[in-house]
Amino acid sequence: GENVEQHPSTLSVQEGDSAVIKCTYSDSASNYFPWYKQELGKRPQLIIDIRSNVGEKKDQRIAVTLNKTAKHFSLHITETQPEDSAVYFCAASTPGNMLTFGGGTRLMVKP
Amino acid sequence: DAGITQSPRHKVTETGTPVTLRCHQTENHRYMYWYRQDPGHGLRLIHYSYGVKDTDKGEVSDGYSVSRSKTEDFLLTLESATSSQTSVYFCAIRRDSIYEQYFGPGTRLTVT
Repeated sequence: GENVEQHPSTLSVQEGDSAVIKCTYSDSASNYFPWYKQELGKRPQLIIDIRSNVGEKKDQRIAVTLNKTAKHFSLHITETQPEDSAVYFCAASTPGNMLTFGGGTRLMVKP
Repeated sequence: DAGITQSPRHKVTETGTPVTLRCHQTENHRYMYWYRQDPGHGLRLIHYSYGVKDTDKGEVSDGYSVSRSKTEDFLLTLESATSSQTSVYFCAIRRDSIYEQYFGPGTRLTVT
């Protein structure tokens, strides 16, 4: 089955700096890659996603890039703010829409 | 919040007792999922459903069963709870013809 690895497990940045979280996947048939943000005690919230026919997608301060050849994708957050502090999860989905999640990254934005 | 509710939100039970968690949706989506979340493991798929009475196993299905007798309800049952099933359980739905999954508020289950 699919295996998704996520790095780093923790990330601390200064407010205003950029943050990058990286994920690799194993199944070349995976075609959908969502990112979720989870605040303490809350449900995971979908923040951005990318499909395999696209290399990059942006939404305001958030962007995701996908390299199908290398089987990795990344989340980029620019101009970080304290409210960006949360745990972020990447996931990969095969055509059957079975999501496999990475282990999560705890992002801390220091004011 | 995609009209998803879960009940109960918190439960403490003893080893060996049966437990049923309920996921309820109000928008008649075909696809429903049960995940468990544990520190360091992200979310792992337990079971999923692609229609009434149509279910299949996920990555960590041992010790769990599911049922879906109505479109709006997807039940997860632990036949005989064990301490290793202490976890936070999330239900998710997927709208037809799109990829995105949306999660319910979660149920925190403690097995003592």
